[in-house]
Amino acid sequence: DAKTTQPNSMESNEEEPVHLPCNHSTISGTDYIHWYRQLPSQGPEYVIHGLTSNVNNRMASLAIAEDRKSSTLILHRATLRDAAVYYCILRYAGNMLTFGGGTRLMVKP
Amino acid sequence: DTGVSQDPRHKITKRGQNVTFRCDPISEHNRLYWYRQTLGQGPEFLTYFQNEAQLEKSRLLSNRFSAERPKGSFSTLEIQRTEQGDSAMYLCASSQRTGAVRNTIYFGEGSWLTVV
Repeated sequence: DAKTTQPNSMESNEEEPVHLPCNHSTISGTDYIHWYRQLPSQGPEYVIHGLTSNVNNRMASLAIAEDRKSSTLILHRATLRDAAVYYCILRYAGNMLTFGGGTRLMVKP
Repeated sequence: DTGVSQDPRHKITKRGQNVTFRCDPISEHNRLYWYRQTLGQGPEFLTYFQNEAQLEKSRLLSNRFSAERPKGSFSTLEIQRTEQGDSAMYLCASSQRTGAVRNTIYFGEGSWLTVV
């Protein structure tokens, strides 16, 4: 499986935007980029996914580089409830998810 | 609540005992997954079912582990002769099989196992 690289941790101030980077230089043409997050003591939850074009939903935005070798998850206004581990995952079609270590996001009030 | 349900949420057992976890997926989801997660790590895939058929098993699933989904609805994960290294959170997830990437995988809250 193609792998992703994310920073171990990031900090943000409440109400400010957060940009969470992900590198996936070995991505194949059929891999979708998925983001999940895991709040403390909970199972992972879906955030967003994309293939080539940037995507927006009510939770976040996903910006995908033109060569698809990197992407950025954007939280437009971080809240304390956004403190979680964010996982960037490459997924082929409907296959299962393969998680890496993720980025632990800490949000300061 | 119509999410993925797992039971029990917490289990403490002595080394060498058997434990069983149950997962009830979202209604009409025909794919069901089991993952294991240890402290500070991301979830690791164990196995998945499509309806009652177990289609893939990870090498992590030793012969002490067995998973079943007899009627294609709920699933059980049994660990026999537990070892301290089995201490982890066991996550269940489910999705629809549509062949499309939009078949989002939904996770339960996990079952915490502590082997003492």
